[in-house]
Amino acid sequence: ILNVEQSPQSLHVQEGDSTNFTCSFPSSNFYALHWYRWETAKSPEALFVMTLNGDEKKKGRISATLNTKEGYSYLYIKGSQPEDSATYLCAFTADKLIFGTGTRLQVFP
Amino acid sequence: EPEVTQTPSHQVTQMGQEVILRCVPISNHLYFYWYRQILGQKVEFLVSFYNNEISEKSEIFDDQFSVERPDGSNFTLKIRSTKLEDSAMYFCASSRLSDRANYGYTFGSGTRLTVV
Repeated sequence: ILNVEQSPQSLHVQEGDSTNFTCSFPSSNFYALHWYRWETAKSPEALFVMTLNGDEKKKGRISATLNTKEGYSYLYIKGSQPEDSATYLCAFTADKLIFGTGTRLQVFP
Repeated sequence: EPEVTQTPSHQVTQMGQEVILRCVPISNHLYFYWYRQILGQKVEFLVSFYNNEISEKSEIFDDQFSVERPDGSNFTLKIRSTKLEDSAMYFCASSRLSDRANYGYTFGSGTRLTVV
């Protein structure tokens, strides 16, 4: 059974703080790793899809790295803002997405 | 920007009743999926659909579940006889054929199903 783990489960930070969280996934038979941002009552929004070991992707203040050999990915948010508050999901994929439990981020003004 | 649309956003049904959850995927996407999230648990894969047939399904997707693409635009999930444990948020997603590993999936905003 393929298992994807995320940590921490939840995170509370002050506006302006930088933060990061982890996604661990099976390192064998790697295909791609997805990051999604999910706000309550909205669709999960695709942030990054990463396929190559050592990949680093950036979108504004959010960036992600990928290590397929050891089976982890980090998501970084620089200078967190209240609008960054959401659940961040990672998902490991072959033919389907296998999701982690998510990290619930709350940014206080 | 193209969207995946799901209706209704919230459905309450009595145990034993049939429900149909509806989705309109993005028009040029060819792979379709249903996922669900029971409150407090992980988002779980239910089924994938391509070329008018199921390509993969999980253990959750038993005989009580079925999917259909009745008219080339809608993609529906039917639960024949709902149980309390079917209460969850159900997400529809679609992806393009050749680059779904690189492009990501587009999700709808979900249908919250409550079985009472």
